[in-house]
Amino acid sequence: GAVVSQHPSRVICKSGTSVKIECRSLDFQATTMFWYRQFPKKSLMLMATSNEGSKATYEQGVEKDKFLINHASLTLSTLTVTSAHPEDSSFYICSAAGGERTYNEQFFGPGTRLTVL
Amino acid sequence: AQSVSQHNHHVILSEAASLELGCNYSYGGTVNLFWYVQYPGQHLQLLLKYFSGDPLVKGIKGFEAEFIKSKFSFNLRKPSVQWSDTAEYFCASKGGGGNKLTFGTGTQLKVEL
Repeated sequence: GAVVSQHPSRVICKSGTSVKIECRSLDFQATTMFWYRQFPKKSLMLMATSNEGSKATYEQGVEKDKFLINHASLTLSTLTVTSAHPEDSSFYICSAAGGERTYNEQFFGPGTRLTVL
Repeated sequence: AQSVSQHNHHVILSEAASLELGCNYSYGGTVNLFWYVQYPGQHLQLLLKYFSGDPLVKGIKGFEAEFIKSKFSFNLRKPSVQWSDTAEYFCASKGGGGNKLTFGTGTQLKVEL
């Protein structure tokens, strides 16, 4: 199957700082990448959908100025949590889709655990 | 808005027991359905998917699911579970021509020796 990586896997930061999370499709070109947030014992909540070269589409209730998403190439999307606060602590997961190999299916990264002190 | 409900939040089974996890979706049009598994400390992996055709779908590791349109259901089954099946299982749907997945709340399965 197609491989998606995320970096870093864990990050701890102070309140008020910004954190960037990278999502890469390693062996296919991802025309679309998705960012999810997973709360403990809860489901994955879609935050936004990003298409290469265009602005991300955010789900209702997700602050686009707080969660900046950039999808600059067909293999890389980044999520920047700006001015992070303790309530932003969560598990962030990306997925990628695109091309014939991954038609109609999303492949998920391993996730990033963010802890804001 | 689409929704997916998983009725069992926690399931505990002994090895060799049969498994059935419930999943109901809300979208009334053409729908794609998925079951994902998340093993402890690992990322989501696709178990199986339904797009069209035979409503009984076979996936990896001996899992299967049956699409019953009249019941809006897509239950996951395995005749005989193993300790290594301990994981969280998520049902998801995609409909309306878009790419977005809607996930259920997940079912934590624990298989005891």
